Amino acid sequence: AAGVIQSPRHLIKEKRETATLKCYPIPRHDTVYWYQQGPGQDPQFLISFYEKMQSDKGSIPDRFSAQQFSDYHSELNMSSLELGDSALYFCASSWDRGKTGELFFGEGSRLTVL
Amino acid sequence: GEDVEQSLFLSVREGDSSVINCTYTDSSSTYLYWYKQEPGAGLQLLTYIFSNMDMKQDQRLTVLLNKKDKHLSLRIADTQTGDSAIYFCAESYSNTGGFKTIFGAGTRLFVKA
Repeated sequence: AAGVIQSPRHLIKEKRETATLKCYPIPRHDTVYWYQQGPGQDPQFLISFYEKMQSDKGSIPDRFSAQQFSDYHSELNMSSLELGDSALYFCASSWDRGKTGELFFGEGSRLTVL
Repeated sequence: GEDVEQSLFLSVREGDSSVINCTYTDSSSTYLYWYKQEPGAGLQLLTYIFSNMDMKQDQRLTVLLNKKDKHLSLRIADTQTGDSAIYFCAESYSNTGGFKTIFGAGTRLFVKA
C-alpha cells in the first residue's frame, strides 16, 4: 500500500542556509501535518494543512513556512537555518483532519545543520 | 495544557510479556495511539483505540484504556528481540483546526535474548 513519501531523506546544510522538505501524502488523504523530532525527543507538532489551507499551528518558528499544493503535497521551507534546527522532520497525513483516527507518518527527513 | 507521560525505559526477556504504560491529561481525547520507532526510522502506527473503547486486541498487541484514570497501556505478548524500539503513546483531540495529536516522550523497550 502507498505510504507517506518524504524527500529528501537526508539533508546537510550550513548555518544561515535555507532548506525545503517535501511530503507526498497517502492518496486521497487531504490533511498533512509536520512534526519535528530533535535527538532523543518526542515529535513536536509544527503545522498542519487541510484542503490546502493551514488548519493548525504549533511550535513552528517564524523562519519556517509551509504550504499545501493543489495535489495535496506539502513543502516545509526553512530559512536562516540554525544548529538547533538539526532534527528529524516527519510528515503525516490523514483524511478529513484526522476524524477517522488514522494518522500515518512518513519515514522522515533528517536535517543536519553544520 | 495537554500532556502525555510515559516511563522512559523498559527491559524484558525474550518470550515474556511487555507492558508499556502511558497517562494523559486531556479528558476530551478522542483517539489514543501507540507508535513504534526503530533507530533512525520513522514512526510506525501500531494500533489506536477510540476513547469509548476499553480494550483492543490485535495479534500480539493488547491496548487497555482506563478513561477514568486517563491511563493507556500496551501489552506485547511473547516479546521478541525485533520488538526492541521506542514506543510512543499519543493522544488526539479535537480543536479548531481539526484533530491535534501530541506525543509522549517515548518508552525505550530493550528485549534481552
